[in-house]
Amino acid sequence: GAGVSQSPRYKVAKRGQDVALRCDPISGHVSLFWYQQALGQGPEFLTYFQNEAQLDKSGLPSDRFFAERPEGSVSTLKIQRTQQEDSAVYLCASSLGTGSGYTFGSGTRLTVV
Amino acid sequence: GENVEQHPSTLSVQEGDSAVIKCTYSDSASNYFPWYKQELGKGPQLIIDIRSNVGEKKDQRIAVTLNKTAKHFSLHITETQPEDSAVYFCAASKGGGATNKLIFGTGTLLAVQP
Repeated sequence: GAGVSQSPRYKVAKRGQDVALRCDPISGHVSLFWYQQALGQGPEFLTYFQNEAQLDKSGLPSDRFFAERPEGSVSTLKIQRTQQEDSAVYLCASSLGTGSGYTFGSGTRLTVV
Repeated sequence: GENVEQHPSTLSVQEGDSAVIKCTYSDSASNYFPWYKQELGKGPQLIIDIRSNVGEKKDQRIAVTLNKTAKHFSLHITETQPEDSAVYFCAASKGGGATNKLIFGTGTLLAVQP
């Protein structure tokens, strides 16, 4: 596709529900990143994939957060038993690889009530 | 770990004036420094980047300077226009910039008054 596509754009979840956020990266982009952006803050790194391999998950805040990219293209970020502090915009970005800049999607705004 | 500080947090300029946003980083191994522009409801958009082997880079009205000794880098926007109004983020990373995570600053809200 022309850009990084994320769905849904908005998600409201009741506390304790599980959610799944989807990212369609730019076709052919090897690297895929997930970031969390709280209101009024800069994005914070969650996890990184190179093709289907999750090479860095050091930013995932708890074991309730899980990400996958089984075929090396589409990625899903899953949050189990959502808490209010999970409310944020979740951004996905992709890049061709070493030496290339990121392209971000528009994000999914998650609100936990 | 790496820490990136950014200031000012808000900046208001008159149309046509210049705007400067400054960042400092803590990890001397960082070698890739991009700047992103984020408009309301959108994801960050890369506007310019610089690598550690270069001291300055310019693209039309925007320029970035890097002082590796002082661990400072700055974004300069000349002849500002109302459409430049947005939140700007600096970031730093080690490695090639695409296979390493970016550490972002806290952002600068730029308002260009017509």
